[in-house]
Amino acid sequence: QVQLVQSWPEVKEPGASVTISCRASGYTFARHNMHWVRQAPGRGFEWMGIINPRGVIPTYAQKFQGRVTLSRDISTNTFYMELSSLRSDDTAVYYCARDSTSWYVDVWGRGTLVTVSS
Amino acid sequence: QSALTQPASVSGSPGQSISIPCTGTSSDVGGYDYVSWYQQRPGEAPKLMIYDVSSRPSGVSDRFSGSKYANTASLTISGLQAEDEAHYYCSSYASGDTWVFGGGTKVTVL
Repeated sequence: QVQLVQSWPEVKEPGASVTISCRASGYTFARHNMHWVRQAPGRGFEWMGIINPRGVIPTYAQKFQGRVTLSRDISTNTFYMELSSLRSDDTAVYYCARDSTSWYVDVWGRGTLVTVSS
Repeated sequence: QSALTQPASVSGSPGQSISIPCTGTSSDVGGYDYVSWYQQRPGEAPKLMIYDVSSRPSGVSDRFSGSKYANTASLTISGLQAEDEAHYYCSSYASGDTWVFGGGTKVTVL
């Protein structure tokens, strides 16, 4: 079955960077774009960006432009999200989420908690 | 890329119908038929309930339905049940190949 397996929780200091991985299995990797979405504690979802597995330049939400980098490794069917210059309000659960091909998500990862604290 | 507007909470008694509005602009909800709805229970990943405004994935109860008029989409839950208690989020494609979420609505079954 389709699975998105995300990396383990991270604890980072303010100013640091974090990279989260999302390994996809159970489907043809190249056929689906991948969203990255985050959810701060007790808050709603924030869309961060989307990456095409075939190598087209990712699209980023305006809020995260310059701080987030999405990438993928087709040899390992893995997507990556790097967020730099971390602040305390970046503390959140970060999800990778497979786009269906029609701008909705049909499969979500389980989420990776990133805690930013000194 | 402003968030879509949802009420913070909606409640209803078992068996009743409730609707959750999701208001955007002509650059997102009003301009495209790419509105989707997600249910999230505490500690869980979201679950897709409605896509393409009014389509329902297999396995989702037909008590859930979606619609759209102008810049506002709506999720309707009919025959409200205790298991429907959760947060619900709308989302929409937006111009520039971006995506935007609503702030979420907590549904309480009285």
